[in-house]
Amino acid sequence: DIQMTQSPSSLSASVGDRVTITCRASQGIRNDLGWYQQKPGKAPKRLVYAASSLQSGVPSRFSGSGSGTEFTLTISSLQPEDFATYYCLQHNNYPFTFGPGTKVDIK
Amino acid sequence: EVQLVQSGAEVKKPGESLKISCRGSGYRFTSSWIGWVRQMPGKGLEWMGIIYPGDSDSRYSPSFQGQVTMSADKSIGTAYLQWSSLKASDTAMYYCAIGHSFDIWGQGTMVTVSS
Repeated sequence: DIQMTQSPSSLSASVGDRVTITCRASQGIRNDLGWYQQKPGKAPKRLVYAASSLQSGVPSRFSGSGSGTEFTLTISSLQPEDFATYYCLQHNNYPFTFGPGTKVDIK
Repeated sequence: EVQLVQSGAEVKKPGESLKISCRGSGYRFTSSWIGWVRQMPGKGLEWMGIIYPGDSDSRYSPSFQGQVTMSADKSIGTAYLQWSSLKASDTAMYYCAIGHSFDIWGQGTMVTVSS
């Protein structure tokens, strides 16, 4: 199975900060990776697909990059509504696997 | 509008059986995979498996193989996740989502198993 790791596991940031979350795969997954945002009590929502394509309707302050084994999600200027937990998902090889999540909270 | 609507919350006793549903609308149900995700209280997302309603081809995570069964009824555009004998450790929120990349999610079904 492909193992996904995320760093950091949590971070505290202020509104306006630039935030970067990293996801690493235990083997190459091309660009078969998505990023998801989950707020408490809500279903996850896809932000990025194919590693770097922004989901329709998602603010442009979100961006994804990477290929192979290392991927990043960047929020260029953190907004109050961005405080949430973020997950990556590899869908290159069965079983698909999520990263453990990164919780972003208010400093 | 593409959407998935899941069945309501369930409270069951250990050993009971359960089948929860996920109804798709606004897209061609038979042409897109539907996956299932578990989220135990306070924990992260776990990929359980995925089914192709067109021919019911399915793939399970080894962690869930033999523990749950996925199925789909293409005549009514609905996917199902079922247990034959629930355990307390099955208490969790269960989500369905469309496609390999999970682009659209259902609202979730909370399953509580308690004696």
